[in-house]
Amino acid sequence: GAVVSQHPSWVICKSGTSVKIECRSLDFQATTMFWYRQFPKQSLMLMATSNEGSKATYEQGVEKDKFLINHASLTLSTLTVTSAHPEDSSFYICSARVGGFDTEAFFGQGTRLTVV
Amino acid sequence: AQKVTQAQTEISVVEKEDVTLDCVYETRDTTYYLFWYKQPPSGELVFLIRRNSFDEQNEISGRYSWNFQKSTSSFNFTITASHVVDSAVYFCALSASSGSARQLTFGSGTQLTVLP
Repeated sequence: GAVVSQHPSWVICKSGTSVKIECRSLDFQATTMFWYRQFPKQSLMLMATSNEGSKATYEQGVEKDKFLINHASLTLSTLTVTSAHPEDSSFYICSARVGGFDTEAFFGQGTRLTVV
Repeated sequence: AQKVTQAQTEISVVEKEDVTLDCVYETRDTTYYLFWYKQPPSGELVFLIRRNSFDEQNEISGRYSWNFQKSTSSFNFTITASHVVDSAVYFCALSASSGSARQLTFGSGTQLTVLP
């Protein structure tokens, strides 16, 4: 199956700094990627849909200025957590689909962010 | 709007027991796809199966089997003769033709613990 690579796998940063997470589709082109956030023992919460060459579409309640998404190419989307605070600590997962709603979604390995 | 309900938050079984994970979905679309994903402790989501709304045949893959019943809007997942390595969180998900941006709607997940 298709491969989505996400890194870093984990990161610890100081409060007030910014952290960038990369998501790459290794063997297919992804015009759309998805960013999720997962709290412990909870389901995946869709944060935003990343569209190549255009602005991301954010879900209600997600701060656009806090979570900057850039989809510069058909194989790379980045999520930058700006001015991170301890409450931003979470597990972030990216995903891409090879086609439409009838195709499976492939997920990155996830990034565990800890803000101290 | 789509919705996926996994009523079982946590299940514990002893190794070699069979276990069924329930999934109930809601959608107004007549064309949709259902998925099951496994999330082991490492965090990465692993694709297990995709089933379209027009195919109600049950499917078996090794120790895994899926029962799709449109009449009850359910897509249940059974693991036969469970192993300790089956311990993970299992997510049921739905993708419909009218859904926005090809995103998946996830259930809340079921934490399965298989005890030795």
